[in-house]
Amino acid sequence: DAGVTQSPTHLIKTRGQHVTLRCSPISGHKSVSWYQQVLGQGPQFIFQYYEKEERGRGNFPDRFSARQFPNYSSELNVNALLLGDSALYLCASSLVAGASNEQFFGPGTRLTVL
Amino acid sequence: GEDVEQSLFLSVREGDSSVINCTYTDSSSTYLYWYKQEPGAGLQLLTYIFSNMDMKQDQRLTVLLNKKDKHLSLRIADTQTGDSAIYFCAERRASGYSTLTFGKGTMLLVSP
Repeated sequence: DAGVTQSPTHLIKTRGQHVTLRCSPISGHKSVSWYQQVLGQGPQFIFQYYEKEERGRGNFPDRFSARQFPNYSSELNVNALLLGDSALYLCASSLVAGASNEQFFGPGTRLTVL
Repeated sequence: GEDVEQSLFLSVREGDSSVINCTYTDSSSTYLYWYKQEPGAGLQLLTYIFSNMDMKQDQRLTVLLNKKDKHLSLRIADTQTGDSAIYFCAERRASGYSTLTFGKGTMLLVSP
């Protein structure tokens, strides 16, 4: 079975640009969460989606947005990129959004903002 | 504060046991996790423990939980060079949505 997939694997952008990152969850999983991992830090929660609805949002500015599609895949959008947005963006999927469900992580998209 | 704390670095010799420690913050946390991250890769779930348990063993991995002190540890028996990686402790809280709060990670270096 395929695990969580993310695209692209690497991305280089300049300040002020916009970026879209994509995630496909494990087949049968309906919940997707996004995390930002800055170099040398642990992942920080950005969003959680379940059944196409936002179920939670971390402490990130409105420049960050996301959505989930009917096939449960998800996009993370970041507008007006700043140097500080350079990070590894991780997507995690779980069966549902409840507290008892394990999250399985994808390999991440490494975003570099110049 | 709301930080999950971990020591930053651990160095052991191949064949020794490794113990990675973590303190978490929320006494209502339901599950506590250990993830492994190799260079340039995503997070691999190693093991987890439910908050009503004291210990969980899974092959070479032993997780100990002290709820009173909010202390979690991961013991790796017979550590191998392939165990060299960053290990993250994470807590899942009972309230609200089921997101994970991670520590900053412990870099484990295993030397031959």
